[in-house]
Amino acid sequence: AQTVTQSQPEMSVQEAETVTLSCTYDTSESDYYLFWYKQPPSRQMILVIRQEAYKQQNATENRFSVNFQKAAKSFSLKISDSQLGDAAMYFCAYREVEYGNKLVFGAGTILRVKS
Amino acid sequence: GAVVSQHPSRVICKSGTSVKIECRSLDFQATTMFWYRQFPKQSLMLMATSNEGSKATYEQGVEKDKFLINHASLTLSTLTVTSAHPEDSSFYICSARDRTRGTRGYGYTFGSGTRLTVV
Repeated sequence: AQTVTQSQPEMSVQEAETVTLSCTYDTSESDYYLFWYKQPPSRQMILVIRQEAYKQQNATENRFSVNFQKAAKSFSLKISDSQLGDAAMYFCAYREVEYGNKLVFGAGTILRVKS
Repeated sequence: GAVVSQHPSRVICKSGTSVKIECRSLDFQATTMFWYRQFPKQSLMLMATSNEGSKATYEQGVEKDKFLINHASLTLSTLTVTSAHPEDSSFYICSARDRTRGTRGYGYTFGSGTRLTVV
């Protein structure tokens, strides 16, 4: 079974600084999707960024980018120019290619942003 | 974009009663709905997967007679917590798959969650 591990229960970053959240996963599949979701205090799950395993290029969405290391099964999230609104719980998630398959979530990382 | 409306957002019920939570896809047809449970500061735990018109598939350890899931139409799925007890108090979230996204679709759309408190 696939597993997703987030080893940082909590992280802190100063406003305007950069922070990296770690995620590793285990799978025997060669093609799959990886996601980062944000859950702010409202608890609404928000998709931050996604990566398709067959694409070598790292995904980027504005201030959010990933470092996808397929061989190492690592998928870290970098947040640049951190803002107060970035404070949230962040979940790394894995999904097999077939749409309709379930997401496997990591334990989550609480990100605190200091002003 | 795709929206899933989840109601109620908060509910308090007495022990022994049943509570129904609804998730509606507002602008797309949801062929698959996932139901999650989340405790404070913890991850989402998948309870069951339901496909429109068929019985839900429950994860190991989830009582199917206690957590009844109905997915009778492409826009509505419901979770009923039967004979609720204080230990059922939790945050419940639904997540839907859009049938138009094809095989290699992307992320799913989440509802805003329901905070259930059983007293």
